[in-house]
Amino acid sequence: DVKVTQSSRYLVKRTGEKVFLECVQDMDHENMFWYRQDPGLGLRLIYFSYDVKMKEKGDIPEGYSVSREKKERFSLILESASTNQTSMYLCVTGRSYNEQFFGPGTRLTVL
Amino acid sequence: GQNIDQPTEMTATEGAIVQINCTYQTSGFNGLFWYQQHAGEAPTFLSYNVLDGLEEKGRFSSFLSRSKGYSYLLLKELQMKDSASYLCAVRMEYGNKLVFGAGTILRVKS
Repeated sequence: DVKVTQSSRYLVKRTGEKVFLECVQDMDHENMFWYRQDPGLGLRLIYFSYDVKMKEKGDIPEGYSVSREKKERFSLILESASTNQTSMYLCVTGRSYNEQFFGPGTRLTVL
Repeated sequence: GQNIDQPTEMTATEGAIVQINCTYQTSGFNGLFWYQQHAGEAPTFLSYNVLDGLEEKGRFSSFLSRSKGYSYLLLKELQMKDSASYLCAVRMEYGNKLVFGAGTILRVKS
């Protein structure tokens, strides 16, 4: 079975803090994605990566950056957290030709 | 732009059959996914269609017509635990990223 883990299920941070969210998968998937999910707005793509050290902006990259130094690990960084970044963050991994799987999610609250 | 439409809410009775439709207009296509999401949890994979036709998996089936930009998810023998949000997503060719519909909230009543 595919295992996709995220570093925290719940996280509370203060405005201005630098926040790291980590996603790790054990199935050698080349594609990894970070989404956020908000009520009424659905799932929106922040950044994605299709190979080590490769990254591309999604639809809402402002205020975020990413790092992919190893194939199994994709990190999302909030450079200076703001209250409008309070959200559920979801990591997705997969290959090009079959299923794509979600991690358990991180519910981030920025105070 | 990308457009994926699903009904916002549906209600059905325990034991019945329900069909959730999804229409899409996207600039690329590399497969269509259905996910189930219970409140407060991450979505879980239900089905994947890349060719036209019906894919059956137990109580769940998914259909795709690429020429019509149309898919549906069919749930049979509904159970109370099927009450959830159902997400339709199109995978794009570039980057293999998923573009999601807003989701359909299904309520199963006894």
